[in-house]
Formats: sequence, structure tokens, C-alpha cells
Amino acid sequence: SQQGEEDPQALSIQEGENATMNCSYKTSINNLQWYRQNSGRGLVHLILIRSNEREKHSGRLRVTLDTSKKSSSLLITASRAADTASYFCATNSGGSNYKLTFGKGTLLTVNP
Amino acid sequence: NAGVTQTPKFQVLKTGQSMTLQCAQDMNHEYMSWYRQDPGMGLRLIHYSVGAGITDQGEVPNGYNVSRSTTEDFPLRLLSAAPSQTSVYFCASSYSKTASNYGYTFGSGTRLTVV
Repeated sequence: SQQGEEDPQALSIQEGENATMNCSYKTSINNLQWYRQNSGRGLVHLILIRSNEREKHSGRLRVTLDTSKKSSSLLITASRAADTASYFCATNSGGSNYKLTFGKGTLLTVNP
Repeated sequence: NAGVTQTPKFQVLKTGQSMTLQCAQDMNHEYMSWYRQDPGMGLRLIHYSVGAGITDQGEVPNGYNVSRSTTEDFPLRLLSAAPSQTSVYFCASSYSKTASNYGYTFGSGTRLTVV
């Protein structure tokens, strides 16, 4: 069953603009992770935020986590055409520290 | 380069055939897993392993077997292929028992078509 659900399903922006993607989940989590997948490729880990953290930065990425609302957002600032990809949130929850449950992803298109 | 290696990259099977998808990692990761990715479904966990000799079922295990005889290798076996198993398969691994510190490293995938 899907734990995380991304919103929107698809997002199209111009180069230089910021892109925001949201993720909602259903049960309590240990951590939440964001991954990028370029067309026809494997997933690449972008950033991990623990349940006791509220915000985290990595380069042009900013992730927030609101455990009271069971939601997270991924902000990509100053987007580039190379950021065009699908973005997935994944939650690590329950008694297992190993299993990740993925959402269905947001397809981001950055137009040059 | 260190990472997760999957073979083959592409495979076409006839219904009823069996095959093994290979996955190997050279990062000494304890945890390994197999996912399938279908359009509109995201990634779904098939089987996983928390160490050599230990495997467990994920969300969609039917029709698949796994074993973990070494830390490095985690093959996925399709016992009798069915068209419903047409999908892209990803192997992933993670370093630490305290997975709250580390993300997963994914292989590049195997695109399987069952006709």
C-alpha cells in the first residue's frame, strides 16, 4: 500500500523558477526521504529528514517536515533544465528501520 | 565505481519461463531489497534482506523468490513468468542498521517483458 502521496502529479516550470512538491503520508514515521529519477534510470537519493527535524537543506534543495500534518515539502530553488525528472518521497515507518514505502511521484519538467 | 549492479538491463521472457535477476553491491551494505515499478503505481517492495541468510517478504512477493547467501549478492528469481510481471525491477541497498541515517542506493534497473 502507498504510504506517501506526492502532489502535484506533474509540474511544469521555466528555468530559474522555484519548484515545490508536496508529500502526505498516513502513519507515523522514523524518517522521510526524497529521491529523483531521470527517465529510464534508477532512483537517486537526494535528502533524508528525521521525524524530529523540521527543516533540512542541501544545496538548492530545502525539505520541510510537519509531523502534525503528516506532510513534507521539497523545494528546488533556481531550477535548471537538468532538474527535469520524477521526484518521489519515501517513508520509513513502524518497527522496521529498513523498509521504505514510496509514493507515486511528481513529474517535474523544467523548460529552458 | 562502487554501487549496485543489476543484470540484465533488458529481458524478454515467454509466459511460464523462469529466470533470475542479478543484483550485486560492493559497499558492504547490510540491507538489500527488490522493488518493481509500474506506471501509475510507484515502487512496490517485493522482498528484502537485512543480512546474509535473512530474507523477508514485502508488499508483492507472490511469484518471486530470493536468497542472500553473501552480503554482496541478492538475486531475484521469477519461478514461472506471467504477463503481470512485466515491469521495471530495481534493486536497492542501504548501509546501516540505523537506517535513519542513510538513504538507499539503487541499481539502474532491469526492464522485463513477459509475452
